[in-house]
Parts: sequence; C-alpha cells; structure tokens
Amino acid sequence: RKEVEQDPGPFNVPEGATVAFNCTYSNSASQSFFWYRQDCRKEPKLLMSVYSSGNEDGRFTAQLNRASQYISLLIRDSKLSDSATYLCVVRILTGGGNKLTFGTGTQLKVEL
Amino acid sequence: DTAVSQTPKYLVTQMGNDKSIKCEQNLGHDTMYWYKQDSKKFLKIMFSYNNKELIINETVPNRFSPKSPDKAHLNLHINSLELGDSAVYFCASSQAGGRSTDTQYFGPGTRLTVL
Repeated sequence: RKEVEQDPGPFNVPEGATVAFNCTYSNSASQSFFWYRQDCRKEPKLLMSVYSSGNEDGRFTAQLNRASQYISLLIRDSKLSDSATYLCVVRILTGGGNKLTFGTGTQLKVEL
Repeated sequence: DTAVSQTPKYLVTQMGNDKSIKCEQNLGHDTMYWYKQDSKKFLKIMFSYNNKELIINETVPNRFSPKSPDKAHLNLHINSLELGDSAVYFCASSQAGGRSTDTQYFGPGTRLTVL
C-alpha cells in the first residue's frame, strides 16, 4: 500500500465547475499536510497547507480528517489556468529532519 | 533571481557513464534535498542535508553520492549510470528541516535520459 494514495484522474471539467480531490495517508505519525501543484514539465510548488480546522485560500479549500487519515482539496469556479497535477503531501519528522512523502498526483484538465 | 537553480536542465548520456547534477539555492536555507520523479510521475525523496550534514538517506543505491561543499550547494554525482536512472531529479531547499511548518522550495528539475 502506498503511503499517500490519490486518484490519478484525469478529471476533465468545464470552466466554472467545482471539483474535489481526495487523498488518504497510511502513516499515523504524519504531522503536517499540504497540497502542491505541478504543471507539466515543471517543478512542484506549494499550493496550500492543510489544517485540521479546514482552511481556505480564495477558490481553494482544504480539509483534514486525522481520525480517518483523509485529506481533501476543493476548487470552486475552476479556471483554465487551474489545469495541472495536484499532489497530496504529508510530512513526517524523522530523526534530524523532515521528510515529505508525495502522492502520485491527481491530474486536472479544465476545458472551455 | 532564481531561488533554487539546477544545472544542467537536460542530460542525455550513455549507460555506464558517470555524471553530476549541481544545485544551488540563494534563499539562505539550512536544508537541501534531492528528489527523483520517475516516468510514472512518482516523486520520492533521495537525500537531505542540513548544514552540509547528511540527515536523510532513503536507501538509494550507493552509485548515487550527494556532496554539499557549503549549505548553499548540494550536488548529486551518479556513477555507472543505468537505464532505470532515467528520471527527472529535483533539488529543493527549506529554512530548517526539523520544523513542521517548514516549506520546501523546488528547483526546475534536471531531466536525465540514459541510453
């Protein structure tokens, strides 16, 4: 079983749609949670951190359920520029450092 | 003004060769990382250095040897390249690797193709 699991997609949605991505993680020692965005042939970039209380950044809302080890990302009013791969990421503090474990990503294609 | 830079961007080489990838960050960060992203787009950590000291080594073959001459640089040397080494290698850095709020910033990646 992968440490971080995501539906690979692709999710093809029309502009203006609301789309939700889910992610589950297996290591209960995971301490911090993130969504990264990766455009084609580019590096991953932090989209937002995810907190237990849920957090929002403009059209993006992230939720964390520690009991179920489940993370979600909701994108409202999707734009063409939202097309990318969304990576669910968990951080585990190891002895001496922190280690990010990435999901395989969910591909989003927003169409006209 | 690139925060994390890598060279080269593309690297095509024959099996059995030895090659190096360089990484530099100008963010003043203490911790640097190497990740490998394979053909299935799975991104996995390889190494982490904090202030020139190796702190994470994720069971990478010893043909891969990271070197950190100072905390702004983390180079990756690969001996006896194999076909399976073909991937995109990303360097990253963060302020202080031990803090849970630490954000990692990635370089643009080096696309390695082994023929």
